[in-house]
Amino acid sequence: EIVLTQSPTTMAASPGEKVTLTCRASSSVSYMHWYQQRSGTSPKLWIYETSKLASGVPNRFSGSGSGTSYSLTINSMETEDAATYYCQQGSSYPWTFGGGTKLELK
Amino acid sequence: EVQLVETGGGLVQPGRSLKLSCVASGFTFNNYWMSWTRQAPGKGLEWVASITNSGGSTYYPDSVKGRFTISRDNAQNTLYLQMNSLRSEDTATYYCTRDDGTYYRWFAYWGQGTLVTVSS
Repeated sequence: EIVLTQSPTTMAASPGEKVTLTCRASSSVSYMHWYQQRSGTSPKLWIYETSKLASGVPNRFSGSGSGTSYSLTINSMETEDAATYYCQQGSSYPWTFGGGTKLELK
Repeated sequence: EVQLVETGGGLVQPGRSLKLSCVASGFTFNNYWMSWTRQAPGKGLEWVASITNSGGSTYYPDSVKGRFTISRDNAQNTLYLQMNSLRSEDTATYYCTRDDGTYYRWFAYWGQGTLVTVSS
């Protein structure tokens, strides 16, 4: 099983600040996908195939990485970006998620 | 607009069974793999089961293999999850998802979820 480790577990950012969330895999994966989950709601696909933004996702978001190291970056933090972000690999069964990074507004 | 509506959750005793349903609309159901993913209260996400678009193949993690069965009725645009021998650790909100990708898959659309509580 491929274990995904996200860091940090929790962080706070001020409006306008650049934010980088990291996801490390225990073995190499071909792509990483990311989901945003706001409090009390269902997860939403946010970034797929490492760097492609899902429909409706603002272009201040970006994704990058390869092999065992991937990241999600917010160029300029906005209020609505406060949420928990999960990475997920669909390269090898069982498909697995990271434990999540809770991003709060400072 | 893609819509996924789960039903069937509730309170069930350990060792008993429960069947969840998910009605899909807004897309051609029989063209897509479908999955169930769950989230225990206050915890992260865990993939539970997937089924190919034809229903010919199914996939499970070890945590539910042999206890859970995913199935679909393409004529009724409905996905199912039969859960047997339920345990307290199966307590979670269960989400139905439409999957995308060809060889490498992701969960493109999510339902609102249905809560399953396993307790005596």
